[in-house]
Amino acid sequence: AQSVTQLDSQVPVFEEAPVELRCNYSSSVSVYLFWYVQYPNQGLQLLLKYLSGSTLVKGINGFEAEFNKSQTSFHLRKPSVHISDTAEYFCAVSERGTGFQKLVFGTGTRLLVSP
Amino acid sequence: DTEVTQTPKHLVMGMTNKKSLKCEQHMGHRAMYWYKQKAKKPPELMFVYSYEKLSINESVPSRFSPECPNSSLLNLHLHALQPEDSALYLCASSQDVGTAAYGYTFGSGTRLTVV
Repeated sequence: AQSVTQLDSQVPVFEEAPVELRCNYSSSVSVYLFWYVQYPNQGLQLLLKYLSGSTLVKGINGFEAEFNKSQTSFHLRKPSVHISDTAEYFCAVSERGTGFQKLVFGTGTRLLVSP
Repeated sequence: DTEVTQTPKHLVMGMTNKKSLKCEQHMGHRAMYWYKQKAKKPPELMFVYSYEKLSINESVPSRFSPECPNSSLLNLHLHALQPEDSALYLCASSQDVGTAAYGYTFGSGTRLTVV
């Protein structure tokens, strides 16, 4: 079965600074990878996803992530954060296959952007 | 319409009450899901509906009873809940279970408090 590890439970950063949120996964088969964002008292919004092809994936709100198969990582980056980026970020993985493949979430990383 | 709408946004219920959560989507998605999210935790899958039929029950207690009256609507009936059932309940949809990898659309959730 697949699993996801988000090593940082909280990442504080100043406005306009770059940020990287780390995600590592484990699976015995090929996977699809996702980053979701959750603002306070909201549902989850898909930031970006890796299905196949280019390992550098660009998403909404200026975020990007790079799939590294050898390191089983899918780290999320943004070159310059805004106060409004303060939220919980979840990395998620599902295995490739036919039929329903469960989406497994990491424990989340809280991004705190201060002025 | 690219949204999943959940009602109510907040619900407080006693342990002897019966209440229902409602989820609606008009994107033509044929797979719908209920997730439960405890504070500071990732979402956990509860139920999967595919073409209006219950496809997966993740060993959820019978005090939670899902229902899919039609392809656009998903309900979660609640009865005799416990305080530990207090959580954010999220509904999601995808084109179908086989293409869930292309992304789920989540609703904003119902914040449930059991007193």
